[in-house]
Amino acid sequence: EPEVTQTPSHQVTQMGQEVILRCVPISNHLYFYWYRQILGQKVEFLVSFYNNEISEKSEIFDDQFSVERPDGSNFTLKIRSTKLEDSAMYFCASNSEAVYGYTFGSGTRLTVV
Amino acid sequence: GENVEQHPSTLSVQEGDSAVIKCTYSDSASNYFPWYKQELGKRPQLIIDIRSNVGEKKDQRIAVTLNKTAKHFSLHITETQPEDSAVYFCAAKDTGGFKTIFGAGTRLFVKA
Repeated sequence: EPEVTQTPSHQVTQMGQEVILRCVPISNHLYFYWYRQILGQKVEFLVSFYNNEISEKSEIFDDQFSVERPDGSNFTLKIRSTKLEDSAMYFCASNSEAVYGYTFGSGTRLTVV
Repeated sequence: GENVEQHPSTLSVQEGDSAVIKCTYSDSASNYFPWYKQELGKRPQLIIDIRSNVGEKKDQRIAVTLNKTAKHFSLHITETQPEDSAVYFCAAKDTGGFKTIFGAGTRLFVKA
């Protein structure tokens, strides 16, 4: 079964540093998403990406965040200057049609110290 | 803004019993309702979904019901097994948009 892959699985960073989280969505999927989950809490929408541009973003996705699809396979989330409250599990997801459910990646646990 | 409420937050059942998780949503434009299962330390996985033109859908031991008028939808698991133990998230989406709004999750314990 096709999978969404994410790297790294765990990232520890100093407050104020930049981090890049990487995702490889399923190859024939067209819609890509980033969600985050603070420990023990709900899954929160960050951003969706379609046709090489952001299609929707949440209030969480401020100027410190950016996304990019630098080539035909990778989809990245950059946090420019990390804060303690950015510590969470970040999930990438994709689907072939926006009307379908997601296939989630295995997540990157980001710890900001 | 859009919101999805989920109850209960924790549910403990005996193996073989049924489990019911209930959700309500606020955005009347929502028309797609997926359910995800998340085992400890793992990714959420889609287990069943329902669209607004259908009132009920069943897949083996799991079923979902939708009451669009009341903006309620529910997950029913029958003949529960220990491997059903996980966190279950309901979610709602307006398929005219891109984001999915998740409930806070229900931690289900199935006791052997």
